[in-house]
Amino acid sequence: GENVEQHPSTLSVQEGDSAVIKCTYSDSASNYFPWYKQELGKGPQLIIDIRSNVGEKKDQRIAVTLNKTAKHFSLHITETQPEDSAVYFCAASGVTYKYIFGTGTRLKVLA
Amino acid sequence: NAGVTQTPKFQVLKTGQSMTLQCAQDMNHNSMYWYRQDPGMGLRLIYYSASEGTTDKGEVPNGYNVSRLNKREFSLRLESAAPSQTSVYFCASRPTGQMNTEAFFGQGTRLTVV
Repeated sequence: GENVEQHPSTLSVQEGDSAVIKCTYSDSASNYFPWYKQELGKGPQLIIDIRSNVGEKKDQRIAVTLNKTAKHFSLHITETQPEDSAVYFCAASGVTYKYIFGTGTRLKVLA
Repeated sequence: NAGVTQTPKFQVLKTGQSMTLQCAQDMNHNSMYWYRQDPGMGLRLIYYSASEGTTDKGEVPNGYNVSRLNKREFSLRLESAAPSQTSVYFCASRPTGQMNTEAFFGQGTRLTVV
């Protein structure tokens, strides 16, 4: 079945440094790859997404890259700030409308 | 605009008791989902409903049943709760059509089975 692997499970960076989180998916029919941020006690919220016909997308300090051949996609956060500290999830979805998540990355930005 | 509303927010059950978690969305979305979130396990899909009148199993459906009551509401039922079902449950919805899109999540239900 469909599977999404996410690494690392925890990540600590100094404020101002960059953070990279990587995901791998198994279903070659997946065509939509969102990234969610979850703050304590809340539901996940979308921060950026990418579709299979695009290789890279940027939104201010956040960027996502997709390598369809390797079935990899990554989240890049530049100039990290303390408010970026949260749990981040990647997900993959395709024609079946299943929405499968990775296991999450706890990001800590150290002031 | 309420978005996705889950009730209750907290619940404690005894082993063997039954309960239904309610979820309603007011965004006219076609697809709805139930996930459970456990430490270190991420969000695991229990059941989903691609459209009104259909439901399908996700990654971890055992011990659960669902009902897509209408386009707005998607409920999750635990017939005989077990301690292994202690978790935070999230409902989500999204519009689906020709293109995949963002899912919107509720605030979660924290369930403890003792």
